Amino acid sequence: AQSVTQPDIHITVSEGASLELRCNYSYGATPYLFWYVQSPGQGLQLLLKYFSGDTLVQGIKGFEAEFKRSQSSFNLRKPSVHWSDAAEYFCAVALTSGGYNKLIFGAGTRLAVHP
Amino acid sequence: GAVVSQHPSRVICKSGTSVKIECRSLDFQATTMFWYRQFPKQSLMLMATSNEGSKATYEQGVEKDKFLINHASLTLSTLTVTSAHPEDSSFYICSASQTGGSEAFFGQGTRLTVV
Repeated sequence: AQSVTQPDIHITVSEGASLELRCNYSYGATPYLFWYVQSPGQGLQLLLKYFSGDTLVQGIKGFEAEFKRSQSSFNLRKPSVHWSDAAEYFCAVALTSGGYNKLIFGAGTRLAVHP
Repeated sequence: GAVVSQHPSRVICKSGTSVKIECRSLDFQATTMFWYRQFPKQSLMLMATSNEGSKATYEQGVEKDKFLINHASLTLSTLTVTSAHPEDSSFYICSASQTGGSEAFFGQGTRLTVV
């Protein structure tokens, strides 16, 4: 069955430090992968997505992610974290049988940023 | 970008009553909308797929008679929680995508509290 694993439930970094959030997926076919961010009590905002092509994907707010098929991973990175990046981050895979938009989410990683 | 609006953002209801949540695509037509449920500090779980003009498809374990979904037009889907109980208290989020589109746009979410 398709699944998404985010190994880190909670991460704390200092402002200005680099960030990497891990995501591993289990899916039989070529995956469509997404990273979303959620602020408390809010909906989800798409940071970036991977469908095909270049395995390094650039997103909004200075985020990027790299698709590595051999590792079944799609880790999210940012070179320098800002205090406003504190939020919950979700990795998701789309089920192609249900169309691009039927998403299976990971458990999420809560990011805290120290000043 | 496309906008999805959910209403209400917060609702408190008495146990045994029904609550309707609306999900509207404001500037595009959505043949398919999705309803998710999110418990505190947990991930989003897909409840059902709402298809315009036809019956919704529910995920395993979701009671279709309790969570009524209606998708009467290309811009509106509603989720009605019938005979609500405190355990139904949760954050409900919808998403919608344009016909043939590859990205899902999320509403702001609805915080339901059943007292």
